[in-house]
Amino acid sequence: GAGVSQSPSNKVTEKGKDVELRCDPISGHTALYWYRQSLGQGLEFLIYFQGNSAPDKSGLPSDRFSAERTGGSVSTLTIQRTQQEDSAVYLCASSVSASLLNEKLFFGSGTQLSVL
Amino acid sequence: KQEVTQIPAALSVPEGENLVLNCSFTDSAIYNLQWFRQDPGKGLTSLLLIQSSQREQTSGRLNASLDKSSGRSTLYIAASQPGDSATYLCAVMPPSGTYKYIFGTGTRLKVLA
Repeated sequence: GAGVSQSPSNKVTEKGKDVELRCDPISGHTALYWYRQSLGQGLEFLIYFQGNSAPDKSGLPSDRFSAERTGGSVSTLTIQRTQQEDSAVYLCASSVSASLLNEKLFFGSGTQLSVL
Repeated sequence: KQEVTQIPAALSVPEGENLVLNCSFTDSAIYNLQWFRQDPGKGLTSLLLIQSSQREQTSGRLNASLDKSSGRSTLYIAASQPGDSATYLCAVMPPSGTYKYIFGTGTRLKVLA
């Protein structure tokens, strides 16, 4: 596609429910990243995928968070048993390859998650 | 632990003014530094990427400089326009060379017509 696409753009859920956030990267980009942007704070790295390699999950804040990437393209970030502190904008980005380190990141518009 | 600071948090300038946004980082060992722009309700757009071996990068009216030894980068915007109004974020890549960028909290710029 023309850019990184994320859905939904907004998600309101009740505490304790599970949510799934979707990211469709730029066609041909092998690297995909998830970041979280909380109000008044900088972006926080969550996880990244490079091709078929095992993902780097070191930024996931708890075991309630998981992500998968099927077929080397679309990725889903799942948050189980959501808590109010999970409320944030979840941003997805892609790049040509994570092994090409001086490549720009291309971000989607994000999913605004609100946990009531 | 690497920390990235951007001062000021917000800035208003009249149209046409040249301006400088500042970014400082505590650990000079970085792989590269990127400047991003974020419009309200939108994702980030990469403006300029400076590799650790470089001193500056230019794109149109934008010029970014990097002084690793002092832990500073500046983004210079020439002849500012109302369309430049946005939040500007800088981010540093750790020397290990992974995409775990560390972001500043940004400078919110408003250019007044």
